[in-house]
Amino acid sequence: DQQVKQNSPSLSVQEGRISILNCDYTNSMFDYFLWYKKYPAEGPTFLISISSIKDKNEDGRFTVFLNKSAKHLSLHIVPSQPGDSAVYFCAAIMKTSYDKVIFGPGTSLSVIP
Amino acid sequence: DVKVTQSSRYLVKRTGEKVFLECVQDMDHENMFWYRQDPGLGLRLIYFSYDVKMKEKGDIPEGYSVSREKKERFSLILESASTNQTSMYLCASSYRAGVGTQYFGPGTRLLVL
Repeated sequence: DQQVKQNSPSLSVQEGRISILNCDYTNSMFDYFLWYKKYPAEGPTFLISISSIKDKNEDGRFTVFLNKSAKHLSLHIVPSQPGDSAVYFCAAIMKTSYDKVIFGPGTSLSVIP
Repeated sequence: DVKVTQSSRYLVKRTGEKVFLECVQDMDHENMFWYRQDPGLGLRLIYFSYDVKMKEKGDIPEGYSVSREKKERFSLILESASTNQTSMYLCASSYRAGVGTQYFGPGTRLLVL
């Protein structure tokens, strides 16, 4: 049973618009969340993270929002660019096991020029 | 810059063969990981190691073993390859004290015939 879910396998967005990627989790023991980005034929790269004590973290065009009561987080990309086209993985970590990262299945984002 | 390298980008093996996948990192990271990536399932942890000669089972260790004789090198071994082990294999490393920020290699796409 997946503890980290990304219910949209794919998403298409026009260049310049906002991309919103969603992630839900089931384990209330998760206390740190990350987003990774993966291009074809490359390994995933770390994008942005958020601690459970925060509800928002921003880094340039990327913002992650965390709603603990709903066990939901989202990644916003504004404005979207064609180079953002990639697979985005949501991931979570438990306080008791900082080394072990639980990944979601990924969402493939296509930004259309 | 952290560099994680994997010995092969593509491999084709026959059922029953013994397969070695090698991973090397150059950042003196304590932790190293092996994942497999399959469509719709995301990244699933096979094994990880937090020190030389130490190993821990991940979520799907069956059919795999690992070896870590040196800090910078972590090997994944398929003792007798089967067709259901056809997948993308990703190696990653991180600092022991780090909170989940893993650095990934480019991946090895393995096809077992």
